[in-house]
Amino acid sequence: GAVVSQHPSWVICKSGTSVKIECRSLDFQATTMFWYRQFPKQSLMLMATSNEGSKATYEQGVEKDKFLINHASLTLSTLTVTSAHPEDSSFYICSATPKTRFSYNEQFFGPGTRLTVL
Amino acid sequence: SQQGEEDPQALSIQEGENATMNCSYKTSINNLQWYRQNSGRGLVHLILIRSNEREKHSGRLRVTLDTSKKSSSLLITASRAADTASYFCATDSGGYNKLIFGAGTRLAVHP
Repeated sequence: GAVVSQHPSWVICKSGTSVKIECRSLDFQATTMFWYRQFPKQSLMLMATSNEGSKATYEQGVEKDKFLINHASLTLSTLTVTSAHPEDSSFYICSATPKTRFSYNEQFFGPGTRLTVL
Repeated sequence: SQQGEEDPQALSIQEGENATMNCSYKTSINNLQWYRQNSGRGLVHLILIRSNEREKHSGRLRVTLDTSKKSSSLLITASRAADTASYFCATDSGGYNKLIFGAGTRLAVHP
């Protein structure tokens, strides 16, 4: 089956630093990757949609200058949380849509990255 | 923004019982999907039901969709302790193939 990995699986950083999270599709090419944020005991909130080679589309209320998304290849997207603050602490999950199976928006999810900002 | 609501928010049952979770959404959809999430982990896709389908089965899972009421239900029959997880519905309304997730139901199945 299609596998999506994320790295790191967890990270602790100091307030004011930047953190980069990688999302990789391991055995397929991803037309589109999505980034979600999930606070404890809450649902997934879509942050942005990332298409290879183009700028990401951010959801309303998500600061594009704070959450930098780069989708440089069909198998890699990165999310950089710039100048992180404690309120950015959350579980970040990516998903990817295979290039060859488009009709029903089949998304495969990564295992998530737990970010804790001290 | 979240598409809709799920109820109940939390459900606690005994092994062997059936678990029913409901999901409501607000806009027209192409399809609706159900996912499972174990605590602190990623999501596992369970089942997809298209807007022109009314019911779908997969193993112990049964999903119904009522587009006139903009609602769906997930039934897990003969539940097991290993079914303990959070369950989310997600709707695909078209347009960049975004999925919008419901609030989720936390299911606890006790041995």
